[in-house]
Amino acid sequence: EVQLVESGGGSVQPGRSLRLSCAASGFTFDDHTMHWVRQVPGKGLEWVSGMTWDGSRVGYADSVKGRFTISRDNAKNSLHLQMDSLTTDDTALYYCARDKNANNFAAILSWGQGTLVTVSS
Amino acid sequence: DIVLTQSPVTLSVSPGERATLSCRANLSVSGYLAWYHQKPGRAPRLLIYDASNRATGIPARFSGSRSGADFTLTISSLDPEDCGVYYCQQRSDWPPLMIFGPGTKVDIK
Repeated sequence: EVQLVESGGGSVQPGRSLRLSCAASGFTFDDHTMHWVRQVPGKGLEWVSGMTWDGSRVGYADSVKGRFTISRDNAKNSLHLQMDSLTTDDTALYYCARDKNANNFAAILSWGQGTLVTVSS
Repeated sequence: DIVLTQSPVTLSVSPGERATLSCRANLSVSGYLAWYHQKPGRAPRLLIYDASNRATGIPARFSGSRSGADFTLTISSLDPEDCGVYYCQQRSDWPPLMIFGPGTKVDIK
């Protein structure tokens, strides 16, 4: 069974940092591009960042570029998102997600349950 | 930048009726469009990828099509389980990114 388990969310003040992690199991991790997608409760989906299996392609939404950094450890089947200079607009549920492809961004096959990030003073 | 517009915003359909959802891109885009269904409190689920390919385990009542920059998701005979929000998603190869549409909410009459 495919499992994506996010951790690292919580409450933080504006300007501070947070690091999200995603533990993957049930599939061959380095056969897939991985993404972070966020959703403000009651609102739509916003793609945040993605990375191909080997890190050769990395992308960020304009809203987080320069502040967030995605990384992955294929040996540990884990995905991470380093979030710096957080603002209240970053408050959302953050999903770890598995792409159907390995070498580009295509479509999301699997989603975790999400970890909630709240940025508030 | 690619912007996706979905219509209608809300759709009320009786069980057994047909539902047609639209997703339009503002630029010339590839056929790599996906559709997702999200129920309240749940993560989204992939329905369609590459505009017309059903994902594994998706019932045949879901179908996708494309005409130029217009993409359509059709639910041929609505089941009460089909309520929720439907999102379309496009991708860009360069810069590498994904774009989601704002969603269409489907209610059961």
